[in-house]
Amino acid sequence: AQTVTQSQPEMSVQEAETVTLSCTYDTSESDYYLFWYKQPPSRQMILVIRQEAYKQQNATENRFSVNFQKAAKSFSLKISDSQLGDAAMYFCAYLRGSTLGRLYFGRGTQLTVWP
Amino acid sequence: GAGVSQSPRYKVAKRGQDVALRCDPISGHVSLFWYQQALGQGPEFLTYFQNEAQLDKSGLPSDRFFAERPEGSVSTLKIQRTQQEDSAVYLCASTLPSGTPPREQYFGPGTRLTVT
Repeated sequence: AQTVTQSQPEMSVQEAETVTLSCTYDTSESDYYLFWYKQPPSRQMILVIRQEAYKQQNATENRFSVNFQKAAKSFSLKISDSQLGDAAMYFCAYLRGSTLGRLYFGRGTQLTVWP
Repeated sequence: GAGVSQSPRYKVAKRGQDVALRCDPISGHVSLFWYQQALGQGPEFLTYFQNEAQLDKSGLPSDRFFAERPEGSVSTLKIQRTQQEDSAVYLCASTLPSGTPPREQYFGPGTRLTVT
């Protein structure tokens, strides 16, 4: 079974600083996708960034980037120039490449951004 | 509509009551998912539809849980004889058919169910 582990229940960062959220996963498959989702207090989950396992290049979306270490099964999210609007619960999620779209989520990391 | 909508947003049920939770996916989205998110946890998969066909219901925790999508658009998650452990936020997500890379799942705001 796929498991996704987020070992940091809470993180905090000063506005304009950089923060890294950790995620590890367990799988025996070679074809899969990884995602970071953001869930603000309103609870609507929003996709932040995705990474295809077959790509060696780390994904980047503006201030968000990932450090994908396939051998170590690690997938961390780096938020640069943190903004107050980045405050939310962040979930790491795994998708098997061969399935119909069921996501496996970690338990989440609550990010606080201080002004 | 502009996004996935769910109703009601909040539901309080007495133990033993039946509840029905509704999901309106984004127009044209073929695939629809239900997830259960307990307090302090990540979402857990419940079931998946492609059009009106329920292709995977392996995440439904018991036979008290039932989901349907009769016309391939709106979906209803029904919980019979609710128990306290059913208290959670129920999330619905929709997406276009599978592709490579996989399509993004768009989530609704969720229904917070509290069983007293």
